[in-house]
Amino acid sequence: ELKVEQNPLFLSMQEGKNYTIYCNYSTTSDRLYWYRQDPGKSLESLFVLLSNGAVKQEGRLMASLDTKARLSTLHITAAVHDLSATYFCAVDANYGGSQGNLIFGKGTKLSVKP
Amino acid sequence: NAGVTQTPKFRILKIGQSMTLQCTQDMNHNYMYWYRQDPGMGLKLIYYSVGAGITDKGEVPNGYNVSRSTTEDFPLRLELAAPSQTSVYFCASRRTVSSGANVLTFGAGSRLTVL
Repeated sequence: ELKVEQNPLFLSMQEGKNYTIYCNYSTTSDRLYWYRQDPGKSLESLFVLLSNGAVKQEGRLMASLDTKARLSTLHITAAVHDLSATYFCAVDANYGGSQGNLIFGKGTKLSVKP
Repeated sequence: NAGVTQTPKFRILKIGQSMTLQCTQDMNHNYMYWYRQDPGMGLKLIYYSVGAGITDKGEVPNGYNVSRSTTEDFPLRLELAAPSQTSVYFCASRRTVSSGANVLTFGAGSRLTVL
């Protein structure tokens, strides 16, 4: 059974600081996704990582994938309040022979304080 | 282009009642999903569909049923609601892009409380 574990689950940061969120998964997969969820809102796609060594960046967020270590990281640079949200990683699973069903981690709730 | 539309946004049910959560997408996607989100637990897959007339169970299907009579609609039915079904429910549809990535588009969510 595919398991996806994120840590930390809660993260309180000061503006201007850097930090990394980690996502570990238990079986072989070369597709990993990061989503953002604002309080009371739906999930929005942030990054799609499709191969070992893949790196994607947008603004103050950078995601990377190491398929050998089964690890993805989401790095936050010089955090600002607008980044406060819950961040989920997700991995492609295979249910009943149908690929493409995503298994989500529990999410990391990020709070950026002035 | 509305994307994925869910109704209702909020609902309170009594134990034992039944209801249907509606989900419609206008992107002509074959794959559709129902997830539930409980606090601190991430999203759990309830049911999914690979196209009209084809559905299958996900991780947590007990207490739910689905149907897929058209490409656009994927309703989720709760029979005999229980407090354990109090949750936020998200419907999603999926497109596969040229790179092979599966990108989900989520609806706004339906918050269900069973008392």
